Amino acid sequence: DTAVSQTPKYLVTQMGNDKSIKCEQNLGHDTMYWYKQDSKKFLKIMFSYNNKELIINETVPNRFSPKSPDKAHLNLHINSLELGDSAVYFCASSQDFGGGNEKLFFGSGTQLSVL
Amino acid sequence: TQLLEQSPQFLSIQEGENLTVYCNSSSVFSSLQWYRQEPGEGPVLLVTVVTGGEVKKLKRLTFQFGDARKDSSLHITAAQPGDTGLYLCAGAVYSTLTFGKGTMLLVSP
Repeated sequence: DTAVSQTPKYLVTQMGNDKSIKCEQNLGHDTMYWYKQDSKKFLKIMFSYNNKELIINETVPNRFSPKSPDKAHLNLHINSLELGDSAVYFCASSQDFGGGNEKLFFGSGTQLSVL
Repeated sequence: TQLLEQSPQFLSIQEGENLTVYCNSSSVFSSLQWYRQEPGEGPVLLVTVVTGGEVKKLKRLTFQFGDARKDSSLHITAAQPGDTGLYLCAGAVYSTLTFGKGTMLLVSP
């Protein structure tokens, strides 16, 4: 059973469209994250939720809106997609929020290509 | 400013060779983590080092945390093609787990 699963694996779309990426974890963890990995493989945190509450919101355009319906799910909705949004987006979870010392379990990523 | 500097950025070696990759910072960390990311997959945690000077071994991989807790190294003995991947170090920066840019390792048969 996949511990952290995200869908879709690949997402190809036109500029200006709205799209969502879904993430679910079956580890019983309290904290979930969205990370963005650019073409140079740099992995940068976007958001973090602890028990459905937003705890980290890095400098991300407000076109990106995370939603956590329960602590096992963290979805990412992106409005008005731009070329620069093309990247691999990773969902992750941790047992709890460790102030940067948490051990992360990652999903396999969603490759977003904006044309 | 990149808070966690990793070197080298890219390393291509033959099977059986030894190698060391480095993770350096001017900041002190309460702990450092090492992840490996294979193509098309998410990073997987290999080890966490917590104590200055600590050495941890994972089969052919040896991880060391610097005495001052500002740097770490990963040494691989007798590398195998299965070791190919992106090696990432990560540490807490302003209460957020922050990653270095990684070392891409390619081990050829």
